[in-house]
Amino acid sequence: GENVEQHPSTLSVQEGDSAVIKCTYSDSASNYFPWYKQELGKRPQLIIDIRSNVGEKKDQRIAVTLNKTAKHFSLHITETQPEDSAVYFCAAGVASGGSYIPTFGRGTSLIVHP
Amino acid sequence: DGGITQSPKYLFRKEGQNVTLSCEQNLNHDAMYWYRQDPGQGLRLIYYSQIVNDFQKGDIAEGYSVSREKKESFPLTVTSAQKNPTAFYLCASSPLWGPMNTEAFFGQGTRLTVV
Repeated sequence: GENVEQHPSTLSVQEGDSAVIKCTYSDSASNYFPWYKQELGKRPQLIIDIRSNVGEKKDQRIAVTLNKTAKHFSLHITETQPEDSAVYFCAAGVASGGSYIPTFGRGTSLIVHP
Repeated sequence: DGGITQSPKYLFRKEGQNVTLSCEQNLNHDAMYWYRQDPGQGLRLIYYSQIVNDFQKGDIAEGYSVSREKKESFPLTVTSAQKNPTAFYLCASSPLWGPMNTEAFFGQGTRLTVV
């Protein structure tokens, strides 16, 4: 099955700095990679995703990059703000025939200091 | 808010007792999932179901059971066979995956404590 490693487990930055969270996956057949954000006491919510036919995707201050050859993908947050503080989860899996069962990383706790 | 409801929010159980966690969704989603969240462990899949009356084991199914008698409901039973049941449990649902259907929606979670 799929195995997803996520680093770092904790990331502390100053407001305005950039933050990068990295994930690696093991199954070369994986083709869909979502990122979820979980604020304290709240449910995880999808913030950005990328498919295997795309190398990079941006949405305002967040971006995700994918290197299929190396089997790793990363979340980039620029100009961090205190409200970016949360736990971020990456996931990987094979989306096929309407089915997608993601394997999640262990999560990164991002702390943005004002 | 979200269309997927878990209850109760907090649950206490005595050792040796079975307990059932409720998960209901009104999003008309075909797929439903149960995850266990422990500090530093991320989200680990317990069971999932993609159609009524059918479900599959995830990575950590031992000591748990589920049913999917209705599309809207996917209850999880934590049995006395689960050796370390104290955890935060998240239910999620999603439409069958497609180019425009990619997001899983999570419930608010149930925190189970064995006393």
